[in-house]
Amino acid sequence: ETGVTQTPRHLVMGMTNKKSLKCEQHLGHNAMYWYKQSAKKPLELMFVYNFKEQTENNSVPSRFSPECPNSSHLFLHLHTLQPEDSALYLCASSFEGGQTYEQYFGPGTRLTVT
Amino acid sequence: AQSVTQPDIHITVSEGASLELRCNYSYGATPYLFWYVQSPGQGLQLLLKYFSGDTLVQGIKGFEAEFKRSQSSFNLRKPSVHWSDAAEYFCAVGANGGSQGNLIFGKGTKLSVKP
Repeated sequence: ETGVTQTPRHLVMGMTNKKSLKCEQHLGHNAMYWYKQSAKKPLELMFVYNFKEQTENNSVPSRFSPECPNSSHLFLHLHTLQPEDSALYLCASSFEGGQTYEQYFGPGTRLTVT
Repeated sequence: AQSVTQPDIHITVSEGASLELRCNYSYGATPYLFWYVQSPGQGLQLLLKYFSGDTLVQGIKGFEAEFKRSQSSFNLRKPSVHWSDAAEYFCAVGANGGSQGNLIFGKGTKLSVKP
């Protein structure tokens, strides 16, 4: 595997379900990100992890719970979601060394909440 | 606060024609600038980036962009568009020395290519 991978690619879940999204980066980066992309809205940064520590949480509802066990893996745990949470969830990674570098994105997970 | 404006929501060009996608940013210092492309159902792919130096940067797939400080712009260009270039294009600005994860994206420009 190369680059940034995400699983599953598609997910349909009911509002009472619990599911997790997985992201893995094979680029030797030390920072990872979750973004939400909805139709007709700009990319929304949800969470940032740098060296496994969460450094940013952009007022995301608690029904989204991130986990970063190491610098290569990132999870987004989902529970009791709402239909408006249906979106494309993108994971990205970058090297962070005191300035902003380019981010590399995975293919995304298309989430549908029914 | 940083911001990015992509004034064109949707552009249609003929195959073989030239292309220019506009991007304007707001940032107090010299920004880091990026262009990404997203094909339907896919993630974002980095086309090119500007950090410093030559203001005309070359990217992948025959794209280039020019940083114009006086106009706060970073427009993306391609001399001859191919049908496979149909996608959505995002401009992003990052802070020079700012906090990690601080990439601000524009709302995107959708490019359609007609035969």
